[in-house]
Amino acid sequence: GAVVSQHPSRVICKSGTSVKIECRSLDFQATTMFWYRQFPKKSLMLMATSNEGSKATYEQGVEKDKFLINHASLTLSTLTVTSAHPEDSSFYICSATLAGVVGDTQYFGPGTRLTVL
Amino acid sequence: DQQVKQNSPSLSVQEGRISILNCDYTNSMFDYFLWYKKYPAEGPTFLISISSIKDKNEDGRFTVFLNKSAKHLSLHIVPSQPGDSAVYFCAASALDFGNEKLTFGTGTRLTIIP
Repeated sequence: GAVVSQHPSRVICKSGTSVKIECRSLDFQATTMFWYRQFPKKSLMLMATSNEGSKATYEQGVEKDKFLINHASLTLSTLTVTSAHPEDSSFYICSATLAGVVGDTQYFGPGTRLTVL
Repeated sequence: DQQVKQNSPSLSVQEGRISILNCDYTNSMFDYFLWYKKYPAEGPTFLISISSIKDKNEDGRFTVFLNKSAKHLSLHIVPSQPGDSAVYFCAASALDFGNEKLTFGTGTRLTIIP
């Protein structure tokens, strides 16, 4: 079955530094990848939609200059949290949809826990 | 390999009838299960959950059943309403991971027919 990985699974950084999180589709091509932030009570906030070869579409209220998303290939999207602050500490999850498949099936990554000191 | 599986990508149900969404899992370490509802262009929102010490949890029109021996859970919506039309994801977590890391299924689109 389709597998999505995230790297790193856990990262601790100092305030003011930048952190890059990778989302990879391991055995399929993903036209579209989504980035979510997990909030208390486990609700997920959609941050942005990333399409291969084009600029990401950010949701309202998400700073595009702070959360840089790059979808350079059909198997890789990256989220870079720039100048991270403690309030950015959260669990970030990506998901991917299969290229060429119309529908709602999403494959979720295992998530990345970011802690900003 | 998918540890949480939703084998039906779509389901259509008449308004007023019962909707049953199914989910299977393979990892016996999972001890907490959740259902999420997702509308287009939004993130999944938490709907209902169940701990492995229970076999049923009810919240209004929504009931989740857990069959640990079969590694199967289901979400029942009764009566179904047009506003229930959405994509539903089941997810599982394990206490060993602090119940934070979620493993998601691939989703089932529920369409309620008026």
